[in-house]
Amino acid sequence: EVQLVESGGALVQPGGSLTLSCEASGFTFSGFEMNWVRLVPGEGLEWVSYISNTGATTHYGDSVKGRFTTSRDNAKSSLFLQMNNLRAEDTGIYYCAREYYGFLAGYYLDYWGQGTPVTVSS
Amino acid sequence: AIRVAQSPSSFSASIGDRVTITCRASQDIRTYLGWYQVKPGKAPKLLIYAASFLQGEVPSRFSGRGSGTDFTLTISDLQSEDSATYYCQQYYAYPRTFGPGTKVEIK
Repeated sequence: EVQLVESGGALVQPGGSLTLSCEASGFTFSGFEMNWVRLVPGEGLEWVSYISNTGATTHYGDSVKGRFTTSRDNAKSSLFLQMNNLRAEDTGIYYCAREYYGFLAGYYLDYWGQGTPVTVSS
Repeated sequence: AIRVAQSPSSFSASIGDRVTITCRASQDIRTYLGWYQVKPGKAPKLLIYAASFLQGEVPSRFSGRGSGTDFTLTISDLQSEDSATYYCQQYYAYPRTFGPGTKVEIK
């Protein structure tokens, strides 16, 4: 059974930093690209970042580019999101999601974790 | 970035109703579109991928249609457990973008 378990969410002051983790199990982690997506109160889902299966390629949403860094440790089946210079608008629930490739279907997010809450407030 | 519009933003319907949610992309995304169901405190769930393919174990009352810029998600025979917020997402290009969501309430 595919399982994704996020951790590390917390209350942090504006300008602060936080690192989120996502522990994967039930599949060969090194074979899949991964994403971070957040649920922003009153706004909805927002895609945050992507990392290739080897970690060599990353993409970021415009609102987090230059402040957030995604990385992974395939040996430990773990995904990370380093968040710096946090702002109030970064408040939300952060989910990690597995990306699946289907022939002719493209890459889509087939499994998600339950999320970890981040609150940025003074 | 590709913009994704969704309508309606919310509505209320009765058990057994047939309901449709619309998603429109700002440019041609072929069929690179997914639909997700989000409930408070739960992991978001993929319902439909590639615009019209039902993800495994998703009830057959859910269906998706469309290609290019216009897409729909239909729930036939609405059930109480379908109360949730539904999002479409384009995965044709980065940044991946979601629609603003449609909140479905059961009368």
